[in-house]
This record gives sequence, C-alpha cells and structure tokens, in this order.
Amino acid sequence: DGGITQSPKYLFRKEGQNVTLSCEQNLNHDAMYWYRQDPGQGLRLIYYSQIVNDFQKGDIAEGYSVSREKKESFPLTVTSAQKNPTAFYLCASSTRLAGAYNEQFFGPGTRLTVL
Amino acid sequence: AQKITQTQPGMFVQEKEAVTLDCTYDTSDPSYGLFWYKQPSSGEMIFLIYQGSYDQQNATEGRYSLNFQKARKSANLVISASQLGDSAMYFCAMREVWNTDKLIFGTGTRLQVFP
Repeated sequence: DGGITQSPKYLFRKEGQNVTLSCEQNLNHDAMYWYRQDPGQGLRLIYYSQIVNDFQKGDIAEGYSVSREKKESFPLTVTSAQKNPTAFYLCASSTRLAGAYNEQFFGPGTRLTVL
Repeated sequence: AQKITQTQPGMFVQEKEAVTLDCTYDTSDPSYGLFWYKQPSSGEMIFLIYQGSYDQQNATEGRYSLNFQKARKSANLVISASQLGDSAMYFCAMREVWNTDKLIFGTGTRLQVFP
C-alpha cells in the first residue's frame, strides 16, 4: 500500500534534548512538508522540500531542522532551541504538477510531549 | 492578513441532516485552489474535496459538496445526510498558483453529529 508513515506515534522528551521525527513516503512524490498543529489551531508550515537535497523554511522554522537526502525520507529534528515544542506534528507529501491542484497526502502524525 | 477564515469553532448536527461549514478566503491571485480536509480524533488529515478557482461548477464528492461563491470569496462545505462518523475537525485550505508550495489552513470547525 502506498502512503506516508510517521514514527513514533507518541514521543516524550526531556527539556533541552533534541529529538528527530521520522517521515517516509512511498508515493514517489517530489515534495514533502512538515506541519505543526497546536490544540484548537490549524496547521502551520515548518519546512518543506521540493526536491532531494533542497528545502525551504516555512512560517515557523525557528528551532527546527530538516534534511532531504532521499526522495522517500524527510526527517524533522526538534532542537532544544524550540521554546515550546509540545505539539502534534504532521508530515505530508505531494506531486509537483503545475497549477493549484496538488493534493497533499498526510501521515498519521507524531504527538510530541516535552516533560 | 488571515487568508483562510473559519468562523464556526463548533457545530452540532443531528444524524441524517445536512450541515454547512463556512470558509472564507482572501487572495489577489486569480488562480488558486481550495481544499477541505477532515481530521478525526486519531489525528490524520483526510482529503475530502477540491475546488479550482476557474471551475465553473461546484465540486461534489459523494455526500460532500462545495458551495463556491467566487465573488464573495467563500467556499463552504456542505455535508448531506450526516453520519455519526462525520464527527471530526474540518479544515479549509487554499493554495495560490503563484505560491504553489504552501497550503494555507484555517483554524478549523469541530463538527459533532448526534443521534
């Protein structure tokens, strides 16, 4: 089955520690995205990548880092510099066809809690 | 400026009734796309329906239809014959063709369907 996997589903970390969230897709999509969702809020874009070895900051990139060494993988590291990292993190991917219609497919999400 | 506005934090509807979830948007790009996603309590984002700015007819997908009023910049989601399984958060989102990398989300509406 094609899709996006995120692991782990729940993650706990101590304050001051870096943590890496995994995102893998087998949809052969060029573009991948990381979003953050806080309670009662919509999704906010952290980072996105259109092609391998290239990525851009989204609206709330501070305190986060990413890499895109393989087309299938787009891991997100939440660093100790992120002041309020407790949130629900969603990874997505899409094709890069011209035009406005490029449906984003989402993974199941990772819920990060900082203790 | 907020690009996507969902003014209903919560809505209630009785099973088998229809419900309309409101969404207004703001853009100066003549070419854009509008999306609706459903987020159940499990957290994954499920794509429901898409409307392109140049589409002449309102989009429909099964029990979902989009009431697109371009002059009013509104893209309301209509769910007909509500089911208990429709209880979830619903997000409206927009992509502008000049900025195809970003999908801009509203803050969502929580729909609760009661028997």
